[in-house]
Amino acid sequence: EAGVAQSPRYKIIEKRQSVAFWCNPISGHATLYWYQQILGQGPKLLIQFQNNGVVDDSQLPKDRFSAERLKGVDSTLKIQPAKLEDSAVYLCASSPRPGTLGAFFGQGTRLTVV
Amino acid sequence: AQKVTQAQTEISVVEKEDVTLDCVYETRDTTYYLFWYKQPPSGELVFLIRRNSFDEQNEISGRYSWNFQKSTSSFNFTITASQVVDSAVYFCALSEAVTSNTGKLIFGQGTTLQVKP
Repeated sequence: EAGVAQSPRYKIIEKRQSVAFWCNPISGHATLYWYQQILGQGPKLLIQFQNNGVVDDSQLPKDRFSAERLKGVDSTLKIQPAKLEDSAVYLCASSPRPGTLGAFFGQGTRLTVV
Repeated sequence: AQKVTQAQTEISVVEKEDVTLDCVYETRDTTYYLFWYKQPPSGELVFLIRRNSFDEQNEISGRYSWNFQKSTSSFNFTITASQVVDSAVYFCALSEAVTSNTGKLIFGQGTTLQVKP
């Protein structure tokens, strides 16, 4: 079974530029999460989708971050414009359904904003 | 408020030593789940174990064992006879089933384990 796929693996941009990350969850997983992991910290949830609807985006900085999951499968996370403090690893995870099963994580996209 | 604390930032051991990673959590829910994940240098988080709040039995899986104690709100992880391949960052996480039953994971800050040959 294929795991959670993310691209790109690495991205370096200048502040005020925009960037987009892509995630393809495990086939059949209805729940998709985006987490932000700043160096030396644990991951923090940015947004959670159930199929193509948003379940929780309370921690998403909506003035600069946006995410979509149009067909309930792939998802993109965008930052526009990026700030230095957005430098982090962005992890995508999926789960068969919402609840307490935990989640399966991708390898992440390491973003460096200079 | 929900919170997970991993007080040990870094641990260094020599191969074959036993090592215990501590995890203390806070939650008001009576039903919740606890997890351990491993994050090797490749970056992805690898699921190790899930435990629900009603099951306080300790669990052993090969060289790994987990000790869950509700009385002290702790969920500690022990690696017996550590190996170099165990070197990674280990995260403890909490998922609440009442306050936020969406499956959202609340992570600790992680413990970096270095196993030297």
